[in-house]
Amino acid sequence: EADIYQTPRYLVIGTGKKITLECSQTMGHDKMYWYQQDPGMELHLIHYSYGVNSTEKGDLSSESTVSRIRTEHFPLTLESARPSHTSQYLCASSAPERATGAFFGQGTRLTVV
Amino acid sequence: KNQVEQSPQSLIILEGKNCTLQCNYTVSPFSNLRWYKQDTGRGPVSLTIMTFSENTKSNGRYTATLDADTKQSSLHITASQLSDSASYICVVSDRGSTLGRLYFGRGTQLTVWP
Repeated sequence: EADIYQTPRYLVIGTGKKITLECSQTMGHDKMYWYQQDPGMELHLIHYSYGVNSTEKGDLSSESTVSRIRTEHFPLTLESARPSHTSQYLCASSAPERATGAFFGQGTRLTVV
Repeated sequence: KNQVEQSPQSLIILEGKNCTLQCNYTVSPFSNLRWYKQDTGRGPVSLTIMTFSENTKSNGRYTATLDADTKQSSLHITASQLSDSASYICVVSDRGSTLGRLYFGRGTQLTVWP
């Protein structure tokens, strides 16, 4: 159903490395979101964007940063990964004014060792 | 405060049985409500979506209902299968504002036993 893609699906990296998680959608949605989810737990919003050059921090404090230079692309960057960043990261996009709800990517499972 | 509450938190049923999951919300102004199924380690997959004027929506063995007056929704699963074991998440979208947001329930963890 969804035309929203996340890469990589799995990533294992060492502490202190800089990483960027990619998220792209081809539906022309203005709103995009990043969520963090620990196993068996609820999703927590860490960043969202309601259009190009507009980003906001979400409910859960995060050391990551995001950018929105193009409508279809919403990458998330960790400048210096730590073991506490180990989690699943989910990207979503939506166009509420079209009443279609949100579409999710498959997620990126990040492990920092 | 915009919130989405789901119940039960977890549920175990036997294969072939029916079950109903609940979602209550206070999100306003309301745009739409979606039920998602999330398998472990995967992204949520949409099952149904309903707008303000819709009362019921079916997708195979999944039937969702919406009462916009009482701000309640339910997801009914008929003739459960082992593959139905997953987390079911209710997500409500608000409408119109520049900072339009999604509001998530915590999910109901469903386990289907043979």
